[in-house]
Amino acid sequence: GENVEQHPSTLSVQEGDSAVIKCTYSDSASNYFPWYKQELGKRPQLIIDIRSNVGEKKDQRIAVTLNKTAKHFSLHITETQPEDSAVYFCAAVSGGYQKVTFGTGTKLQVIP
Amino acid sequence: DTEVTQTPKHLVMGMTNKKSLKCEQHMGHRAMYWYKQKAKKPPELMFVYSYEKLSINESVPSRFSPECPNSSLLNLHLHALQPEDSALYLCASSQGFRAIGEQYFGPGTRLTVT
Repeated sequence: GENVEQHPSTLSVQEGDSAVIKCTYSDSASNYFPWYKQELGKRPQLIIDIRSNVGEKKDQRIAVTLNKTAKHFSLHITETQPEDSAVYFCAAVSGGYQKVTFGTGTKLQVIP
Repeated sequence: DTEVTQTPKHLVMGMTNKKSLKCEQHMGHRAMYWYKQKAKKPPELMFVYSYEKLSINESVPSRFSPECPNSSLLNLHLHALQPEDSALYLCASSQGFRAIGEQYFGPGTRLTVT
């Protein structure tokens, strides 16, 4: 089955700096890669996603890159703000039934 | 309406109890999911329903019994649970088979087994 590794597990940055979170996946059949933000006690919420036929996608301060050959994808957050503090999960999705395998999570702390 | 609702928000049950969790969506989604999330861990997939049929069972113990009465509703029946089953149970939905796109999560049910 699919295995998704995520690094780092914790990340502290100063407000205004950039944050980068990296993931690798094992199943070459995975074709969709969402990123979720989960605040304490709340549901995971999609912040950005990328499909396997695209190399990069950007939405305001957030960008995701995908290297299918290396099976790597990364989340980039620029100009970080305190409200970006949360746990971020990458995921890889495969199969017709859209089976989602999550990474282990990164706890991001943005220091004002 | 882009919301998935779950009831109850919190549930405390003894090991001999029978209870059910309920999930509902009105987005016309044809795939629905149950996840279990322990503290400081990612969600773990338990079950996937596609077009009201069970498509994936991730080797979940039989004390968890899913049910999909119609395309909008998903239940999880609980019986003879163990304390280690205490977790946040998340429901999610997405468009359906081979439809690549977002899974929408409900707020979850916080389950405590005593």
